[in-house]
Amino acid sequence: GAGVSQSPRYKVAKRGQDVALRCDPISGHVSLFWYQQALGQGPEFLTYFQNEAQLDKSGLPSDRFFAERPEGSVSTLKIQRTQQEDSAVYLCASSLVGTGRWAGELFFGEGSRLTVL
Amino acid sequence: AQTVTQSQPEMSVQEAETVTLSCTYDTSESDYYLFWYKQPPSRQMILVIRQEAYKQQNATENRFSVNFQKAAKSFSLKISDSQLGDAAMYFCAYRVTYNAGNMLTFGGGTRLMVKP
Repeated sequence: GAGVSQSPRYKVAKRGQDVALRCDPISGHVSLFWYQQALGQGPEFLTYFQNEAQLDKSGLPSDRFFAERPEGSVSTLKIQRTQQEDSAVYLCASSLVGTGRWAGELFFGEGSRLTVL
Repeated sequence: AQTVTQSQPEMSVQEAETVTLSCTYDTSESDYYLFWYKQPPSRQMILVIRQEAYKQQNATENRFSVNFQKAAKSFSLKISDSQLGDAAMYFCAYRVTYNAGNMLTFGGGTRLMVKP
């Protein structure tokens, strides 16, 4: 597709379950970001990839959160042993270039809404 | 650490009127970018306008313009001739230029309602 695609759009998990959220960035985009957006708040940075390399994971809230992008395109955000505080919309974004002063416009997906019961 | 503050949780404007959304930020950097993003109910974040800190001229994109006051660390968005389709959450965001990627720091958002 032409835009950033995320799946599933909605996910309901019982507390303690593991979940996996998928992001298909725009083809050819080097940079990929994950953000967490709690209800009524602005997005908060989780992690950043340049191609397959995870260059920054400082925003991951705990070691239950894990992200990968093994072939430098599709990325998966995995949350183990989900907790109620993990309920949020998880946004994926990509940009064409990875370095430089501007580094390109960031394009966002529609997000995956996770509800943990 | 950089912070971005949007002090107006909600704003309302009459269709065809003008509205200004406020944003302040805190940084020790001198070279950075500021952005306004729109997030409609469908949730896809869309870039509205971008301002480079080293440029004194305020950015303009059709009905959208900014008032960038670098010394005051203020970055407001003006929407002229408001349309029903402008109703959305608006987020102010900041990024340093030396960052290898596009890590944005967002404000808490302002919900804009447009009355017909």
